[in-house]
Amino acid sequence: EPEVTQTPSHQVTQMGQEVILRCVPISNHLYFYWYRQILGQKVEFLVSFYNNEISEKSEIFDDQFSVERPDGSNFTLKIRSTKLEDSAMYFCASHGAGHQETQYFGPGTRLLVL
Amino acid sequence: AQKVTQAQTEISVVEKEDVTLDCVYETRDTTYYLFWYKQPPSGELVFLIRRNSFDEQNEISGRYSWNFQKSTSSFNFTITASQVVDSAVYFCALSEAGWSGTASKLTFGTGTRLQVTL
Repeated sequence: EPEVTQTPSHQVTQMGQEVILRCVPISNHLYFYWYRQILGQKVEFLVSFYNNEISEKSEIFDDQFSVERPDGSNFTLKIRSTKLEDSAMYFCASHGAGHQETQYFGPGTRLLVL
Repeated sequence: AQKVTQAQTEISVVEKEDVTLDCVYETRDTTYYLFWYKQPPSGELVFLIRRNSFDEQNEISGRYSWNFQKSTSSFNFTITASQVVDSAVYFCALSEAGWSGTASKLTFGTGTRLQVTL
């Protein structure tokens, strides 16, 4: 069964460093999302992406964040200068042609900023 | 703006008990979608069910059942004869129907942690 994959599973970085989180959505999916979950809290929407552009972004998704689909398979989230409060689990999700389709989530990347 | 409320922070039950997880939502859209996801201790988010706003039929899948009531804006989830493997955090989520060609984000509730003991 196809699934969303994410790398790395864990990342530790120093404050101020840049990180890139990678996702490979399910191959025929067209809509892509990033969410984050601070430890013990709810899952929060960061950004959605469709047709090679950002569809919507939340207040969390400031200028330090960017997304890219560099090729036909990868979908990346870059944090330019990490802050302590960026420590969280980051989930990638994707779904198929209909905007109402079920979003399937990757296993997440746990980011720890020291 | 859309909002999902899961008032139960944590529930503990003994194995074989039935348990209901509550979810109340707010939206201005007439067309929307409701979801339940399970987050086991390993951390991934596992899709359980999706319900469209225009389909109020309740659904049963094995030991799981869902009760969707538009009149009270609720989408409750019941586990019958709970098992230790059901221990997890359960999230209710809502997405509104966007325009065709636009993505539609999920708004999650704060989750209910279910602990099933022997």
